[in-house]
Amino acid sequence: KAGVTQTPRYLIKTRGQQVTLSCSPISGHRSVSWYQQTPGQGLQFLFEYFSETQRNKGNFPGRFSGRQFSNSRSEMNVSTLELGDSALYLCASSLMRSDVVNTEAFFGQGTRLTVV
Amino acid sequence: LAKTTQPISMDSYEGQEVNITCSHNNIATNDYITWYQQFPSQGPRFIIQGYKTKVTNEVASLFIPADRKSSTLSLPRVSLSDTAVYYCLVGARMDSNYQLIWGAGTKLIIKP
Repeated sequence: KAGVTQTPRYLIKTRGQQVTLSCSPISGHRSVSWYQQTPGQGLQFLFEYFSETQRNKGNFPGRFSGRQFSNSRSEMNVSTLELGDSALYLCASSLMRSDVVNTEAFFGQGTRLTVV
Repeated sequence: LAKTTQPISMDSYEGQEVNITCSHNNIATNDYITWYQQFPSQGPRFIIQGYKTKVTNEVASLFIPADRKSSTLSLPRVSLSDTAVYYCLVGARMDSNYQLIWGAGTKLIIKP
């Protein structure tokens, strides 16, 4: 079956702009999580959605937001971009298992965002 | 502050067994310990997951002591293709908010 698909793969934006990233999870997966990966900070959890509701959230400013649609597809938005937002943004989908988020997750290849 | 700690890098040789340990003092009571592998320009890939004692699958074993404050990923008979970054991941509760805490990753280099 098809894996997790993230679009676009690469993106260049200017400081102050906003950006929307898209993630299509594996068919049947209702949980979608987003991560930021940078060389200096490693992998950091942004938020997790399940059935269109944000279930958990990491320590990121309000400029980072997301949503999930009824078909489980998810979008992540970053407003007022800063240079430090340059990173690989990864999306992961998983089957729900109890109320624990840390279940086996399948990652997309990510969107490489560069802010100039 | 919830944190996971793992070695920054490790070297080994083909055919050897490699053990990577991660410490995670604030793991949530009902949460699992998960390990991922990541190659350059790819998203992490699930390796193994466990709650306590020992778990084994076709690619690795995971050892978890009774206090669950650490875990050890064991890769038997590594090959060059096992060169990658390995991450441990646990969930932790901080101020009633559940968060996923990734280790900084262990860069494993396998030499011929």
